[in-house]
Amino acid sequence: DVQLQESGPDLVKPSQSLSLTCTVTGYSITSGYSWHWIRQFPGNKLEWMGYIHYSGSTNYNPSLKSRISITRDTSKNQFFLQLNSVTTEDTATYYCASGNYGYFDVWGAGTTVTVSS
Amino acid sequence: DILLTQSPAILSVSPGERVSFSCRASQSIGTSIHWYQQRTNGSPRLLIKYASESISGIPSRFSGSGSGTDFTLSINSVESEDIADYYCQQSNSWPRTFGGGTKLEIK
Repeated sequence: DVQLQESGPDLVKPSQSLSLTCTVTGYSITSGYSWHWIRQFPGNKLEWMGYIHYSGSTNYNPSLKSRISITRDTSKNQFFLQLNSVTTEDTATYYCASGNYGYFDVWGAGTTVTVSS
Repeated sequence: DILLTQSPAILSVSPGERVSFSCRASQSIGTSIHWYQQRTNGSPRLLIKYASESISGIPSRFSGSGSGTDFTLSINSVESEDIADYYCQQSNSWPRTFGGGTKLEIK
């Protein structure tokens, strides 16, 4: 079975960069699917952030386009989220998920990141 | 962006009752809607894909319907384990968007 697990710091200072890792087991991220980051704000609103395709191409939410980067390390079967110039409004639970023909079929457990000085 | 509006915000039903969740899209999206369940402190779990297609491992009491702008997720006979938030998500266009969710409470 495909499993995803997020990791990274749980506290980031305003104006700094947020960096998270998603480790995928049970499936190679270069074999198929797209690999997404989705966040859930306090109050439970869900926001799709972007993905990296198995081919290596990326697509981002225009609301984040100037601040976001999604990359990967195929040797470790991991993909990464970097979000620059964070503010308190980036405080959220961040999920990685696999995308399959438009829907998200496997999600990680999520990691909560607080932006605070 | 396509706006998805879910109503009501909270549903309260008794065990064994049938319940329906509504999701309305701001423009026609065919059947490109997917439903998720999120239990307390859990991750979203895919329940239904493409408006009405079932997902392996999901109980048969969950079903979906609709097309165009109006969609419905139904639970045929609610059980206590169904207490959760339910979200719709569209894949008609980028960026992918989610509805605001409906909370299911059991009386």
